Amino acid sequence: GENVEQHPSTLSVQEGDSAVIKCTYSDSASNYFPWYKQELGKRPQLIIDIRSNVGEKKDQRIAVTLNKTAKHFSLHITETQPEDSAVYFCAAAEVYNQGGKLIFGQGTELSVKP
Amino acid sequence: DAGVTQSPTHLIKTRGQQVTLRCSPKSGHDTVSWYQQALGQGPQFIFQYYEEEERQRGNFPDRFSGHQFPNYSSELNVNALLLGDSALYLCASSLASREDTEAFFGQGTRLTVV
Repeated sequence: GENVEQHPSTLSVQEGDSAVIKCTYSDSASNYFPWYKQELGKRPQLIIDIRSNVGEKKDQRIAVTLNKTAKHFSLHITETQPEDSAVYFCAAAEVYNQGGKLIFGQGTELSVKP
Repeated sequence: DAGVTQSPTHLIKTRGQQVTLRCSPKSGHDTVSWYQQALGQGPQFIFQYYEEEERQRGNFPDRFSGHQFPNYSSELNVNALLLGDSALYLCASSLASREDTEAFFGQGTRLTVV
């Protein structure tokens, strides 16, 4: 069935270092890959997304890469700051011209130490 | 714009009881999806409603049912509650007519079954 594997489950970095979170998806029909940040007790918020016709997308300190052949996609955060500490979820969906269900990874708890 | 709103925020129920959770989508959105997020896990897709009909369903038993109203708001009903139904229930809204399927999440309803 549809599945998204996310690694690592926890990640601790020093402020200013880079953080990388990796995901693998199983459904080759997936064509939309969002990343969500969820702070404790709060709702998941979209931080960046990528569609299958693009290999890389960047937004300030955040970038996402997609390898469709290998069914891998990754989140890269540069110059990490303490406020980046949160749980990050990757997800995959098959989208036509309507919304598709999101299949989430298990989450990565990122801790940025000052 | 109030975004996606859910009610109630917290709920305690006894095993065997029934519960109804409510969601109002972001203004202009017409599609509502429900997710179950167990502690320390990624959200799991329950079902999606569009045009007052269930359009997609995840791997959840028939005890989980829903409804969408003409104003696009939605309800999630769970019958015969089990201890394992304790989780954060998230509602997400999106716009079906666009290829951009960004889903906006509500703050969730924390359900505890005792």
